[in-house]
Amino acid sequence: EPEVTQTPSHQVTQMGQEVILRCVPISNHLYFYWYRQILGQKVEFLVSFYNNEISEKSEIFDDQFSVERPDGSNFTLKIRSTKLEDSAMYFCASSQPGQTNEKLFFGSGTQLSVL
Amino acid sequence: ILNVEQSPQSLHVQEGDSTNFTCSFPSSNFYALHWYRWETAKSPEALFVMTLNGDEKKKGRISATLNTKEGYSYLYIKGSQPEDSATYLCAFWNTGNQFYFGTGTSLTVI
Repeated sequence: EPEVTQTPSHQVTQMGQEVILRCVPISNHLYFYWYRQILGQKVEFLVSFYNNEISEKSEIFDDQFSVERPDGSNFTLKIRSTKLEDSAMYFCASSQPGQTNEKLFFGSGTQLSVL
Repeated sequence: ILNVEQSPQSLHVQEGDSTNFTCSFPSSNFYALHWYRWETAKSPEALFVMTLNGDEKKKGRISATLNTKEGYSYLYIKGSQPEDSATYLCAFWNTGNQFYFGTGTSLTVI
């Protein structure tokens, strides 16, 4: 079965450094998402992406965050200057084309630790 | 930010017991309600996508119902097995294309 893949599985960085989290969505999917879960808290929506642009973003997704689909297969989340509170598990997800109520397929996540 | 609440937060049941949990969401601007199962060290996996008031979905021993007018959905597990142990997340999708996860119910089957 096709799956969403994320790399790296773990990322440790110093506060203030830039990180890029990478995702390869399922190939025929056109909607892409980033979510995160801070330890002990609920899953939070960050951003959705469709047709090469952001379609929705949450209050969490401030100017420190950006997303890109650089080559038609990868979908990346960049955090420009990481803060301690950015430490979380970051999940990428994608969904079927043209069906905004179709289920999301999630990657296995990137655990980001900011020291 | 919309409130999507799930109850109970955690649940311990004996193998073979049946159980259910609740997801509450805003009743206005409803578009879809999703249920996901999230096992430890794995990514969330979709169980159901529900869009119509009165929808009932079933997958093996797991079923779900939806009431969009009063803003709740129930997830039922019949004859719980140890492999059912996971966190069950509901997610509410509104007509403004905003998608919010609930707080989750952690189920442990002993």
